[in-house]
Amino acid sequence: DAKTTQPTSMDCAEGRAANLPCNHSTISGNEYVYWYRQIHSQGPQYIIHGLKNNETNEMASLIITEDRKSSTLILPHATLRDTAVYYCIVTPGNMLTFGGGTRLMVKP
Amino acid sequence: GAVVSQHPSWVICKSGTSVKIECRSLDFQATTMFWYRQFPKQSLMLMATSNEGSKATYEQGVEKDKFLINHASLTLSTLTVTSAHPEDSSFYICSASIRAGGALGGYGYTFGSGTRLTVV
Repeated sequence: DAKTTQPTSMDCAEGRAANLPCNHSTISGNEYVYWYRQIHSQGPQYIIHGLKNNETNEMASLIITEDRKSSTLILPHATLRDTAVYYCIVTPGNMLTFGGGTRLMVKP
Repeated sequence: GAVVSQHPSWVICKSGTSVKIECRSLDFQATTMFWYRQFPKQSLMLMATSNEGSKATYEQGVEKDKFLINHASLTLSTLTVTSAHPEDSSFYICSASIRAGGALGGYGYTFGSGTRLTVV
């Protein structure tokens, strides 16, 4: 699987948009970009995934650059419950390999 | 949506004993399940991949004789930690893959809630 690079930690004010970047410069043409998050002592939770186009669901938006070498996960209105470790993963779909992720702290 | 039920959520066992962790897919058939281990303040580490009806594939450095994985049915996979020792204390998480619907394609991966194992 292609490797990803994410900032170790980020802060966000409650109610504001949280923009989490991810670099995946070695991504292959058949690899998807997945985002998961893990709240302390729980199993990871699926957020969104994409291939080439931007995607949006009820949780978040995923913006993928045209060259696909980076992406941004956007939580439009962060709440305290969004405090978690966010993982960006690229894979052709056979398995998920987790990197270090970004620890997002949403503050009042 | 697809749900994976994992239990127990926590277990304490004595050193030298064995512990079994179960992972069930509810309302869908999981041909492939994954087992991860997570130490405090670290990321998830893939231990093994199991396919229904066949032997599990273990990642490098994971002892297959110590971590026995059985995936005998399309809805149940088990991980047995044999002769557990304190260094096996960790958070164990299972996951099942399911083909995502819609035009986007790809797979969805649903995770269990995890099992906190403490070996004393």
